[in-house]
Amino acid sequence: DSGVTQTPKHLITATGQRVTLRCSPRSGDLSVYWYQQSLDQGLQFLIHYYNGEERAKGNILERFSAQQFPDLHSELNLSSLELGDSALYFCASSVLDLFNTEAFFGQGTRLTVV
Amino acid sequence: GENVEQHPSTLSVQEGDSAVIKCTYSDSASNYFPWYKQELGKGPQLIIDIRSNVGEKKDQRIAVTLNKTAKHFSLHITETQPEDSAVYFCAARGSGEGGYNKLIFGAGTRLAVHP
Repeated sequence: DSGVTQTPKHLITATGQRVTLRCSPRSGDLSVYWYQQSLDQGLQFLIHYYNGEERAKGNILERFSAQQFPDLHSELNLSSLELGDSALYFCASSVLDLFNTEAFFGQGTRLTVV
Repeated sequence: GENVEQHPSTLSVQEGDSAVIKCTYSDSASNYFPWYKQELGKGPQLIIDIRSNVGEKKDQRIAVTLNKTAKHFSLHITETQPEDSAVYFCAARGSGEGGYNKLIFGAGTRLAVHP
């Protein structure tokens, strides 16, 4: 167990809908990262938050947004869902940023858009 | 752009044999290279990492080597056991503004260890 908690584990929703994925980082970790894992694209970096502030963006669609709250948990919001958004979404956390510390991944949320 | 290539995509070995997975990266400024193991239905688990100020790092049956000049790094697993069966991912940290907080992953290697 990495100490990173993601909820829900599974999510099935219809096209056009909006969902929120939640991540609780390891105790004491200030950084949260979101990754998408799909069969065709592999593990892709979406976004990084450090102590409540957005620090880096990757290949994140405009329909997706995230935030990190004062208690350091993070949420990833996916809207106007399309079939192609079906994937595993992982959250990772690290004590500081990746310059000096390692990232530990949660168990992921499997999103299925039907 | 930034890219990490990983080979082989599948690897089958007999229990007790060694397994080697190789990765090459494109960004010469990358300086952190973790390896993750992902079992079915689980998230990637960090198993070992190396930073560019060292050439080799070992942790029991697992070792990683890094060649900065050639921009490649490898994972070595000795005395493989059935529980080593999983998908292994290499990654390289990005660089530049905002880039150094993202990991660029290889496509993964599915390792099967047969008893």
